[in-house]
Amino acid sequence: QVQLQESGPGLVKPSETLSLTCAVSGGSIINYYWSWIRQPPGKGLEWIGYIYYSGITNYNPSLKSRVTISVDTSKNQFSLKLSSVTAADTAVYYCARIYGGDWYFDLWGRGTLVTVSS
Amino acid sequence: QSALTQPASVSGSPGQSITISCTGTSSDVGSYNLVSWYQQHPGKAPKLMIYEGTKRPSGVSNRFSGSKSGNTASLTISGLQAEDEADYYCCSYAGRNTVVFGGGTKVTVL
Repeated sequence: QVQLQESGPGLVKPSETLSLTCAVSGGSIINYYWSWIRQPPGKGLEWIGYIYYSGITNYNPSLKSRVTISVDTSKNQFSLKLSSVTAADTAVYYCARIYGGDWYFDLWGRGTLVTVSS
Repeated sequence: QSALTQPASVSGSPGQSITISCTGTSSDVGSYNLVSWYQQHPGKAPKLMIYEGTKRPSGVSNRFSGSKSGNTASLTISGLQAEDEADYYCCSYAGRNTVVFGGGTKVTVL
């Protein structure tokens, strides 16, 4: 079955750029929308943005100025970059698949904790 | 784009039914039948429980059901079991190809 796996540094310094990758295995990245969602420790979920396999993106307005999501169909993966990070960006970051155009997340990665600290 | 409003906690005894509300606005919950619900156990990724307001994915117990009235969606868990103790999040399409989550509800089985 299709599985998602996040990877990237677990520690990022303030003002630097957070970079994560989500590898899709057991299925193709083609014809789906893919998303990043984060969860600060002890808090709720926050949608970051999505990318369609063709490269079309859209972001949460509150993060739009700092977020870039890209896709590499040859590697069957997509990535997140979040610039100018602060301690408030410390969170577990999840990648997820959006099912069709119905705006629900049917598959999730296990998540990866990113801590912003000097 | 504000978070949807959920009660911080709901509790019930085994076998009882509980309902979790999710209140949005006419720009999100009230305008679309695109509310989904997720169950999250500690240290785990969220799991889809309800989509398009009322539909259950394959494998999800029929003890879980969803509904909507106006700007408020609801998740009902009937025949509450110990394994249902978890955090629950609602999510709604909010227009312009964006979604918004609720703040989450902690369900405790007494």
